[in-house]
Amino acid sequence: QITLKESGPTLVKPTQTLTLTCTFSGFSLSTSGVGVGWIRQPPGKALEWLALIYWDDDKRSSPSLKSRLTITKDTSENQVFLTMTNMDPVDTATYYCAHYGSGLGRAFDIWGQGTMVTVSS
Amino acid sequence: SYELTQPPSVSVSPGQTASITCSGDKLGDKYACWYQQKPGQSPVLLIYQDNKRPSGIPERFSGSNSGNTATLTISGTQALDEADYYCQAWDSSTVVFGGGTKLTVL
Repeated sequence: QITLKESGPTLVKPTQTLTLTCTFSGFSLSTSGVGVGWIRQPPGKALEWLALIYWDDDKRSSPSLKSRLTITKDTSENQVFLTMTNMDPVDTATYYCAHYGSGLGRAFDIWGQGTMVTVSS
Repeated sequence: SYELTQPPSVSVSPGQTASITCSGDKLGDKYACWYQQKPGQSPVLLIYQDNKRPSGIPERFSGSNSGNTATLTISGTQALDEADYYCQAWDSSTVVFGGGTKLTVL
């Protein structure tokens, strides 16, 4: 059974750097075709993809946020990290991590519960 | 940048068929997938690879993708299907989500 859980600060100040952790179980990020992605959702708005890291450490990021995002992984600890710099109130959102499988038509089949991050001074 | 367009809202009567569209340039040349999100919950994958259902997803959910439009069809819509629905596809190495459609079961 695959599970993922996001953790990190619930409140950050403008200009600060946000670091989120996705801790997962039920799969290994060393398995070919597997990845973990980050997706966010501002209150009342649509889903927005942020970044994805693959089993081979290849990485992809949203072009509009690429300069602010860093995604890394610790395979031995079953964790994926997302860093977003220069936080702004518009970055207030629920942040989700999700399991990605290339065999699933490149979809995110299992999602974490999400963690709400508020950006405010 | 690539965009996926969904109608903001769709209404359907219980027991009827609901269709939710997702439009994008040459979307039929890519794989589309669909997610359902109920209030306060995380998204759930409904359809992947245009028309495949993960285990546990009821057969009343089906998908198609051709030309510039992918369609999620819900047959025999039930009250519990009232939710937001999002399409998703890849454009080169970028994940793109549609703006979401709120399905109301009247």
